[in-house]
Amino acid sequence: EVQLVESGGGLVKPGGSLRLSCAASGFTFSSYSMNWVRQAPGKGLEWVSSISSSSSYIYYADSVKGRFTISRDNAKNSLYLQMNSLRAEDTAVYYCARDAPLYCSSTSCYEPPFDYWGQGTLVTVSS
Amino acid sequence: EIVLTQSPDFQSVTPKEKVTITCRASQSIGSSLHWYQQKPDQSPKLLIKYASQSISGVPSRFSGSGSGTDFTLTINSLEAEDAATYYCHQSSSLPLTFGPGTKVDIK
Repeated sequence: EVQLVESGGGLVKPGGSLRLSCAASGFTFSSYSMNWVRQAPGKGLEWVSSISSSSSYIYYADSVKGRFTISRDNAKNSLYLQMNSLRAEDTAVYYCARDAPLYCSSTSCYEPPFDYWGQGTLVTVSS
Repeated sequence: EIVLTQSPDFQSVTPKEKVTITCRASQSIGSSLHWYQQKPDQSPKLLIKYASQSISGVPSRFSGSGSGTDFTLTINSLEAEDAATYYCHQSSSLPLTFGPGTKVDIK
């Protein structure tokens, strides 16, 4: 059974830092791209960052670029999000999510959705 | 950035009724559109991938259609357990984006 378990959330002051972790089990972690998606209280879903299986490709939303760093340790089956210079607007539940297997037709391959999500960890940025 | 809009924002429905939720993309995304269900205090769950492909374990009353810019999620014969917020999501290009959500309430 695929499991994703986030940890590391909490209360932090504006300008502070926090490191989130996501422990993966039940699948070959090193074969999948992984993602962070957040949800502010009472709001919708916002993609934050993605990392490819070997960490060769990394992408960020503009809202976090330069402040957040995604990384992974395939030996430990773990995904991380280092969050620096935190702002009030970063307050959200942060989910780690796995990319579904890549879908390819006879002519092209298509970026996948997120097929498994963790339960989320709440980050609150407040003085 | 590809903007996804959903309609309606909210729908109150009686059990066994048919529900239709639409998602429109600001530019063509082919079939790279996916649907999620999120129940209160739960994480999102993938319902439909690539506009119309079913997901193992998801009830057959959920179906999707569309391509290009216009997409539809249909729930045939709504059940009480389907009360949730439904989000569309595009994986065609970065930044990955989600629609604002459609909340389905049971009368």
